[in-house]
Amino acid sequence: EAGVTQSPTHLIKTRGQQATLRCSPISGHTSVYWYQQALGLGLQFLLWYDEGEERNRGNFPPRFSGRQFPNYSSELNVNALELEDSALYLCASSLGTGGLTEAFFGQGTRLTVV
Amino acid sequence: KQEVTQIPAALSVPEGENLVLNCSFTDSAIYNLQWFRQDPGKGLTSLLLIQSSQREQTSGRLNASLDKSSGRSTLYIAASQPGDSATYLCAVWTGSARQLTFGSGTQLTVLP
Repeated sequence: EAGVTQSPTHLIKTRGQQATLRCSPISGHTSVYWYQQALGLGLQFLLWYDEGEERNRGNFPPRFSGRQFPNYSSELNVNALELEDSALYLCASSLGTGGLTEAFFGQGTRLTVV
Repeated sequence: KQEVTQIPAALSVPEGENLVLNCSFTDSAIYNLQWFRQDPGKGLTSLLLIQSSQREQTSGRLNASLDKSSGRSTLYIAASQPGDSATYLCAVWTGSARQLTFGSGTQLTVLP
């Protein structure tokens, strides 16, 4: 069975541009989570989607946004890119309501802003 | 606000040694605790999930314990191997936080 898949693997953007990152959860999983891991820093929570609705949002500016599609896949959009947005962006999925079941992570998208 | 601390930040041991990684959290009202492994530049691999009602979980050479009342968890790795070298992260789901809150990790190096 396929795990959580993220695309693209690497993304290079210029400051001020927009970036779109995509995530396909494990089949049957309805919850999707996004995390940012900047170099040398810990994992920072960005967004949680479940059943197509945004359930929680981390302490990030509004230019970080996303959505979950009817097939439970998700995309993360980052507008007006800044150099400090360079990081590994990780997506995770889980069955049902957040916190009650195991979360599985993808391999991440490495975003570099130049 | 939930805070998760992992000690030590880095650990280097010779192959074959048994070792313990520590994780502590400030808010004991957790739903579950998960241990992950992360290789450099890669995603996270789930190792063990302990529900709040459980005391421990085992998978192969790994054993994780949970003492919710004291806000502590340990990950025991038996007979360590060079392939165990990675960063180990613990994370807790707290109902009030509505997110998985991560510690900063323990970077483990197992020397051949």
